[in-house]
Amino acid sequence: GDSVTQMEGPVTLSEEAFLTINCTYTATGYPSLFWYVQYPGEGLQLLLKATKADDKGSNKGFEATYRKETTSFHLEKGSVQVSDSAVYFCAPFFQGGKLIFGQGTELSVKP
Amino acid sequence: ETGVTQTPRHLVMGMTNKKSLKCEQHLGHNAMYWYKQSAKKPLELMFVYNFKEQTENNSVPSRFSPECPNSSHLFLHLHTLQPEDSALYLCASSQVVSGVAEQFFGPGTRLTVL
Repeated sequence: GDSVTQMEGPVTLSEEAFLTINCTYTATGYPSLFWYVQYPGEGLQLLLKATKADDKGSNKGFEATYRKETTSFHLEKGSVQVSDSAVYFCAPFFQGGKLIFGQGTELSVKP
Repeated sequence: ETGVTQTPRHLVMGMTNKKSLKCEQHLGHNAMYWYKQSAKKPLELMFVYNFKEQTENNSVPSRFSPECPNSSHLFLHLHTLQPEDSALYLCASSQVVSGVAEQFFGPGTRLTVL
């Protein structure tokens, strides 16, 4: 069945370090792919998305590329800031209208 | 008000109380959702309403009762809850036409059941 697997946290980085959060999915079709972010004390907000193979979503310095061959959508940022500390959720939108969230990866960036 | 709002932001209740959570979306969307977010667990979809009709109920206990009087408002009525129901309850909305529908979330209600 349709499912998503996300890298477990917490992830602790120093400011300006490189970030990768892995996300892979299994699907019978070709889902659209989202990354959501949840800052402390807030709800989730869309960070970026990609709707077809080889698309690259980007926002606030974060990027993720839709890799059909590896069924992955890894989140990357070249230089993280303290303000990026949050929980990140990978969420494929599967055929049939189901948005399924990964378990979330907590990122903590230290100055 | 813009986006999706939720009230109250925090709620403490005893197991015998009855309370309601309110969600309002100001985006003109036609679908609304309730999620439960517990510590150390993935986000759980509870209920889905499309055009005010409930289209999904993910085996949620009957002590949670949703109500969608119109496309802008969504309630979650709570009664005789258990301590394990303590969690962050998130409301979301989306415009479902065809294909992909991005969901917009409210800030959540932090519920504590004593």
